[in-house]
Amino acid sequence: KNEVEQSPQNLTAQEGEFITINCSYSVGISALHWLQQHPGGGIVSLFMLSSGKKKHGRLIATINIQEKHSSLHITASHPRDSAVYICAVRSKGDKIIFGKGTRLHILP
Amino acid sequence: AAGVIQSPRHLIKEKRETATLKCYPIPRHDTVYWYQQGPGQDPQFLISFYEKMQSDKGSIPDRFSAQQFSDYHSELNMSSLELGDSALYFCASSRGEISYEQYFGPGTRLTVT
Repeated sequence: KNEVEQSPQNLTAQEGEFITINCSYSVGISALHWLQQHPGGGIVSLFMLSSGKKKHGRLIATINIQEKHSSLHITASHPRDSAVYICAVRSKGDKIIFGKGTRLHILP
Repeated sequence: AAGVIQSPRHLIKEKRETATLKCYPIPRHDTVYWYQQGPGQDPQFLISFYEKMQSDKGSIPDRFSAQQFSDYHSELNMSSLELGDSALYFCASSRGEISYEQYFGPGTRLTVT
């Protein structure tokens, strides 16, 4: 079992839909990152969380430390949101552990 | 299953020295990506290679260079090291130039003193 699990692995939705991507982890962490990667490109960091909730534009990220779970939400999704979204945790041993990513495809 | 291998895992260098980090991708993976993450910072993409050619370039300083060899392993060369270069450097590999599935290595912790 991976230490960081994301779901779903693949998600296709219509433009305008509300999107939720989940991340569960099994190790103690000091921080959790949500990253976005477009095809052929590098990773863009969306959020770094250690508690609570953060919002940036149409993106919202939440984390529940007790449940070891985080969610990334996209409101009013748009085709340009199509990308791979990666959850990565920094363990308390300072190791970075990445999830396998969620491939999101928003149809116009 | 084989994973991405990075060496060394930890490296301590002094200012103005040179460091070389190595990344061995998963067998049959032909694309390698390098990332840098400073303490308390978000990961930053540095550079990527596909079939031994540079395919994308991010925020890689001019003091750094990288290449991919015929066996697909990659090396990141860092010269004139600065204190700010202290970071976790990790690489990832994938199959194909445009791939959604990147497999990440454990990282190399570089400390510049």
